[in-house]
Amino acid sequence: NAGVTQTPKFRVLKTGQSMTLLCAQDMNHEYMYWYRQDPGMGLRLIHYSVGEGTTAKGEVPDGYNVSRLKKQNFLLGLESAAPSQTSVYFCASSYSQTSTYEQFFGPGTRLTVL
Amino acid sequence: RKEVEQDPGPFNVPEGATVAFNCTYSNSASQSFFWYRQDCRKEPKLLMSVYSSGNEDGRFTAQLNRASQYISLLIRDSKLSDSATYLCVPQPGRADKLIFGTGTRLQVFP
Repeated sequence: NAGVTQTPKFRVLKTGQSMTLLCAQDMNHEYMYWYRQDPGMGLRLIHYSVGEGTTAKGEVPDGYNVSRLKKQNFLLGLESAAPSQTSVYFCASSYSQTSTYEQFFGPGTRLTVL
Repeated sequence: RKEVEQDPGPFNVPEGATVAFNCTYSNSASQSFFWYRQDCRKEPKLLMSVYSSGNEDGRFTAQLNRASQYISLLIRDSKLSDSATYLCVPQPGRADKLIFGTGTRLQVFP
């Protein structure tokens, strides 16, 4: 079991470039999430998905898009990167059958936008 | 009032010490809670779940006070490897409502 994996681990972009972050989980979880974490701040929810083919906005969705075409994958896209999107991005997943939503996290993607 | 409030620390304690962190929450609908630990530049990992009045797992004890809306984490016999940031996460029943605070940083020294 690999758990939750994220690619890439690091990336440097120029302002205006686009990229896609990939999250994959092999635990058959229904729920998946994308967070960002900035220095000195807590995790902030960007988007989440409660099942294949469904997505919803979180706390800070602007500038990001997501897709959940397969149950095991959750993609986060930046169409036109801005320096304010420099952050560490964490993907997480959880079961839906319980009411507790314990989340399992990936190792993170460190993104710098110049 | 913030949804989750924790003393950011750092708490600097010697090996072998007992240390306790508190976390206050504002949503009285929260039924369960998590304590996560996050090492520097790493992902959060679940340390303990709290579903009723408390939970104990080895050197770690979590207690919940619903009347005062706070939970605590007690670490006994601190180890160097306990150095991390501890995140208190109230769980109010919706996937999009998990709130991660900035956590409490613990530094254990020899």
